[in-house]
This record gives sequence, C-alpha cells and structure tokens, in this order.
Amino acid sequence: GAGVSQSPSNKVTEKGKDVELRCDPISGHTALYWYRQSLGQGLEFLIYFQGNSAPDKSGLPSDRFSAERTGGSVSTLTIQRTQQEDSAVYLCASSPPGLAGLKTQYFGPGTRLLVL
Amino acid sequence: AQKITQTQPGMFVQEKEAVTLDCTYDTSDPSYGLFWYKQPSSGEMIFLIYQGSYDQQNATEGRYSLNFQKARKSANLVISASQLGDSAMYFCAMRENSGGSNYKLTFGKGTLLTVNP
Repeated sequence: GAGVSQSPSNKVTEKGKDVELRCDPISGHTALYWYRQSLGQGLEFLIYFQGNSAPDKSGLPSDRFSAERTGGSVSTLTIQRTQQEDSAVYLCASSPPGLAGLKTQYFGPGTRLLVL
Repeated sequence: AQKITQTQPGMFVQEKEAVTLDCTYDTSDPSYGLFWYKQPSSGEMIFLIYQGSYDQQNATEGRYSLNFQKARKSANLVISASQLGDSAMYFCAMRENSGGSNYKLTFGKGTLLTVNP
C-alpha cells in the first residue's frame, strides 16, 4: 500500500518568505508527527497530532512555526518569515491506532528546505 | 543528559560479516519502547525493528536482531550477513510510554555504516 507522502520533495526559498510543507499519512493512521533533521544532527521532534488535535506543540522552535491537520488526514507545516537556520529536512511520520501504533512510526521521504 | 547515546559515529564491515551497532539509553520510565531506523543516502527513514521494555525475548526481523540488555540499558542492533545495500545511517530511538509524552520518539545521533565488498 501507499506509504507516507510529502511534498514538495525539495524547496528553496529566500529568507523572509513563508513556506508550506505537506504531509499525507498512511490511510487509517490516526497519529501524525513532524520531525526536523538539521545537517549533522539527529531528529528533533516538532509536533504530534492525534486526529485533528495537536496535544503537544512544545517542540516547535518558535512562533513562526505552525501546523494543522484537517479531516484526520493531510497535515501542513507552515514556516513564516523563514530564516537560514530553518534549513533542514522536515520529516513526517504516521502510526496506526491502538497498540500497533506504539510499536512503530512510518516516515515519509521528507522535504529538504533550503533558505537562502 | 542524552536519552539515547550512539557512541560509534562510523562503522565499517566486510560484506557477509555480522556487525553490531551500539545504543544505550537513559530513562526512569518503566514502560518504554526502543526502535532502530535505517536512513540511506536517499533520506527516507526505514523502520527496522522494535523492542518493548517488557518483552521477554530479543526482537528479530530477518537479518536484524536487537540485543536488549535491560539492566545495562543497552539496545544494540545486530545485522547478520551484511550486504552492500546495508550501507546507511542507522538511528536508535526511544519512546517513553508514561508521563503524557507517549508518542514522540527521541533519537540518537546515528551511526554511519559502510559495508565493504
């Protein structure tokens, strides 16, 4: 079946512009996660959705970052007034409901963001 | 303190040999899960194996096995019969199931494995 998809795969933008990153989770997966992977760093948790609700936004680095999820499916991560330090790979993951969801998170291919 | 420590920035192994990638973790939560992911140069994170803190047996998935030593807080990944396609970055991660944060994974910094022909 189809895995987690993300778009765009690559994004180059100028400092100060806004960007939107999209994630389409695996069908039926109720939980959705955003992570960020900066050059030479591990993965950093950003935000988690259960259905359309985001119980924990504490991983978002600043108020320039926001995310929403509609219809319990697609999620959009928005970065306003981008800065060069926002350059990273943004990874989305999803997991199924119940106990199975505790045992794995399936990741998408990521969006590589470069802020010039 | 780091929750996940991977002490080997890079490892080399000869094709067809076995290799062990180290991972130690730090948690006071009695219920947790440990994960290994593979990230090839293409960038996608591929789930390999999961071990629950209450699981009695070490997890195995094909050529991957997890050497879980609870008292030592280690969860090493063993890859048997290495293949050239195993060359990638490998990440160890933990999920703590209590305290209201039983969803996010905390990752180590990774180990870059190179399989030589």
